[in-house]
Amino acid sequence: NAGVTQTPKFQVLKTGQSMTLQCAQDMNHNSMYWYRQDPGMGLRLIYYSASEGTTDKGEVPNGYNVSRLNKREFSLRLESAAPSQTSVYFCASSELFGQGLFYEQYFGPGTRLTVT
Amino acid sequence: DQQVKQNSPSLSVQEGRISILNCDYTNSMFDYFLWYKKYPAEGPTFLISISSIKDKNEDGRFTVFLNKSAKHLSLHIVPSQPGDSAVYFCAASRNDMRFGAGTRLTVKP
Repeated sequence: NAGVTQTPKFQVLKTGQSMTLQCAQDMNHNSMYWYRQDPGMGLRLIYYSASEGTTDKGEVPNGYNVSRLNKREFSLRLESAAPSQTSVYFCASSELFGQGLFYEQYFGPGTRLTVT
Repeated sequence: DQQVKQNSPSLSVQEGRISILNCDYTNSMFDYFLWYKKYPAEGPTFLISISSIKDKNEDGRFTVFLNKSAKHLSLHIVPSQPGDSAVYFCAASRNDMRFGAGTRLTVKP
């Protein structure tokens, strides 16, 4: 099993360009998440999908959109990239999402995005 | 606002000794707490967790303690090994997940 995979691993964009970060998991998990990590800060939740067909905003959703394509795949789109979106982006998945709780999550290796 | 804080950016310990990593939170609504470990160029990996109805959880060399009245949790690693050298993140959840900024642990041989 590959676990959680992310593409691409690295990306450089110019301000105003758009791109989609791809994420797939092969663990048959119901829930998937997108985080960003900036220097000196912990991971911050951008969007999550509790189950196929649903998506919700996290702590820092502005400037992003997501699509839960099917149970395996969850993509993150930057419509008009800004330098403030320079970050490392992590996708994660988890088996349990219930009773309002986030449980143990399995993370992908990350995408390092630079916006110039 | 930073609801989960790890006030020590780094910690260095000798191999075989105890490592204690600390974490404070401000939101009393959190009811599940987790520790993740992260190596460079990799995603975080889950280490250990604790529900708010408990005050201690052990898994091998790793023990997490929760003090709800102080809104404080800690991770104890005994004995520490060089392979434990990594960045450790604490996280707290209720309707979302909030992470601390991380503590870089270095275990010296």
